Amino acid sequence: DIQMTQSPSSLSASVGDRVTITCRASQSISSYLNWYQQKPGKAPKLLIYAASSLQSGVPSRFSGSGSGTDFTLTISSLQPEDFATYYCQQSYSTRFTFGPGTKVDIK
Amino acid sequence: EVQLVESGGGLIQPGGSLRLSCAASGFTVSSNYMSWVRQAPGKGLEWVSVIYSGGSTYYADSVKGRFTISRDNSKNTLYLQMNSLRAEDTAVYYCARGPTIAGLFDPWGQGTLVTVSS
Repeated sequence: DIQMTQSPSSLSASVGDRVTITCRASQSISSYLNWYQQKPGKAPKLLIYAASSLQSGVPSRFSGSGSGTDFTLTISSLQPEDFATYYCQQSYSTRFTFGPGTKVDIK
Repeated sequence: EVQLVESGGGLIQPGGSLRLSCAASGFTVSSNYMSWVRQAPGKGLEWVSVIYSGGSTYYADSVKGRFTISRDNSKNTLYLQMNSLRAEDTAVYYCARGPTIAGLFDPWGQGTLVTVSS
C-alpha cells in the first residue's frame, strides 16, 4: 500500500498567518492527491482535488500544489473558521490511503 | 441537494454483527462509486470498502472476509454488513460518494458510531 505522511502533525497559528502543510507519498502518485478539512464531530470536507484544483465553494485562500511524491496545502491568510484538522488522501492506488492529519489550532 | 445519511450504529459485543445503512438523496447511488470510510476515536481516516457502479467490490485488508458492501437500487441506499466484529472496529463510519474520476470522496455523510465492547 502507498503510505502517506504529513508534516507537521500539529501547528499553532494566528488569524492572518500563512500556513503550509506538507504531504508526502511513499511512491509517485502523479497528481492523484486530495485534501480534506475536518472539524471536531463533523465529517471531512473536500477542499482540493487533483493536487491543485479548488473544490467549488471553497475559499480561494486555500491552494494546493505538488506532484509525484511531495505536495503542499497552503492557507494564505488563516481565518477563525480554518482551525481544524487537515488530511491528504491518495487516489493513485485503489487501496485509497489518507495521511495521519495535521491539526491547526489557535496560537 | 446532494446528501448522505447514515444509520445503524450502536454498541455491539465482540464477535457480533451489525448492518449500517446510508440513504442517499439528490443523486443515484447505483450510478456512482460509493465507499465507506471509518475513523477510530481520536485517530485518522481509514478507507474500508468501495462498490463500483458496475457492482464490483473491494475491501481494506483489515476487514476483508468480515465486511460486505452492497446497495439497494430501489431504496437508493448503501449498506455495510459487518460480521465478526472486533474491538479495533470501533469507529465512526462514514459513507461517501466516490472515488470519482479524480479519486475524491464528496460528499460525506454525518457518520454513525460503532462501538465494539463487552
